[in-house]
Amino acid sequence: KNEVEQSPQNLTAQEGEFITINCSYSVGISALHWLQQHPGGGIVSLFMLSSGKKKHGRLIATINIQEKHSSLHITASHPRDSAVYICAVTSGNTPLVFGKGTRLSVIA
Amino acid sequence: KAGVTQTPRYLIKTRGQQVTLSCSPISGHRSVSWYQQTPGQGLQFLFEYFSETQRNKGNFPGRFSGRQFSNSRSEMNVSTLELGDSALYLCASRPNLDGELFFGEGSRLTVL
Repeated sequence: KNEVEQSPQNLTAQEGEFITINCSYSVGISALHWLQQHPGGGIVSLFMLSSGKKKHGRLIATINIQEKHSSLHITASHPRDSAVYICAVTSGNTPLVFGKGTRLSVIA
Repeated sequence: KAGVTQTPRYLIKTRGQQVTLSCSPISGHRSVSWYQQTPGQGLQFLFEYFSETQRNKGNFPGRFSGRQFSNSRSEMNVSTLELGDSALYLCASRPNLDGELFFGEGSRLTVL
C-alpha cells in the first residue's frame, strides 16, 4: 500500500509570501491529486498530474516521478488561500490514498 | 452545470441505528466514489462505483455498503451505527475511472 507523507503539517504565512507544500509517496503511481479543503468541509480538486508541471493562476504543482515527490506552490499568498491542502495518489485503478493534509493560514 | 449534490448535509443518529446517504453526480459522470473523513484518520476511501458496478472497496467493515443506480446516483448505507462512525462522508464523481474528481459538500453524521 502506498504511504503518502506531507510536510509541513501546519504552515502560517504573511500575505504575499511564496508558499511550498511537499508530498512524498512510497510506491510508483499513475496520478497525483492536489486537493483544497476550506472550513466547512467542501473539497475542491486543484490539480491532477502524472508528470512535469501544471499552473493555474497563482498555483503551481510539480511532480518528480523518479524521486516520488510533488510540490504545490502558491505565489503571492492571500488570506483566502487559508485552507487544508491534501495530496492523494493512485496507481492504475487502485483507490486514492491520501496524505494527512497541510493546514495553511495566511495572515493579512 | 450542477455540481455534485449530497443529502442530507447534517444528521444525528444514535448507536445501533442505520443511515442512508445519497449522492447525485454531475450529469454525464459515470463514476461515483465515497470517502470518510475523521479528525484522527483523515480521508479514507470507502468504495467506488462505475456503471452500477462496485469497482473498488476500502478497508471498512461490512456494515458499510453502497450501490449505484442506472442514472449514476449513488447511495451508501451504514448499519448498526457505532460512535466511531461519526464523520464527514464525502462523495465525488468523475466521467470515467480516471480523471479529476469533483466532490460534493459532504454529509456530516453524528452518532450519539
